[in-house]
Amino acid sequence: DTAVSQTPKYLVTQMGNDKSIKCEQNLGHDTMYWYKQDSKKFLKIMFSYNNKELIINETVPNRFSPKSPDKAHLNLHINSLELGDSAVYFCASSLYYGSNTGELFFGEGSRLTVL
Amino acid sequence: GDSVTQMEGPVTLSEEAFLTINCTYTATGYPSLFWYVQYPGEGLQLLLKATKADDKGSNKGFEATYRKETTSFHLEKGSVQVSDSAVYFCALSESNTGNQFYFGTGTSLTVIP
Repeated sequence: DTAVSQTPKYLVTQMGNDKSIKCEQNLGHDTMYWYKQDSKKFLKIMFSYNNKELIINETVPNRFSPKSPDKAHLNLHINSLELGDSAVYFCASSLYYGSNTGELFFGEGSRLTVL
Repeated sequence: GDSVTQMEGPVTLSEEAFLTINCTYTATGYPSLFWYVQYPGEGLQLLLKATKADDKGSNKGFEATYRKETTSFHLEKGSVQVSDSAVYFCALSESNTGNQFYFGTGTSLTVIP
């Protein structure tokens, strides 16, 4: 069983469209994250949720809206897609918020290409 | 603020060569340190970690020692294989910042036969 799974794995769309990426973890973790990885492999945190509550909201355009219906799911909705949104988006989870010894578990990534 | 600096790549080595990827960090408290590896087309996965000064993390022949005096966590492997070709990320996590992870920029390693 995949621990952190994301769908879709690939997404190609036109500028101006709205799209969503879904993430689910079956590890029983409390905390989930969205990261953006650019073409140079640089990883930037976007959001973090702990038990469905938003705890980290980095400087991200408000076209990006995360939603956590329960602690096992964290979805990312993007409105009015722009060329610069093209990247690989990674979902991750960790056991609980506030412990610095726990590792992050990553999904396989969702490659978004905006044309 | 907290940050991680790792050596720029790409790094190309011949099989069985010795590998070092440098990583230094800045933190306000007592972070845990991690190395993650990303194989082509995959997500990041934990390679090793160390949670306190002088700890050595090791896995799959890779090692890194948490050096508080030099704020470093360099990754080493004595003899690399073609299958080690990947991007390696150094990271820290600190409870002062709510367990937020700070990643380095990644170092791409290619091992040629």
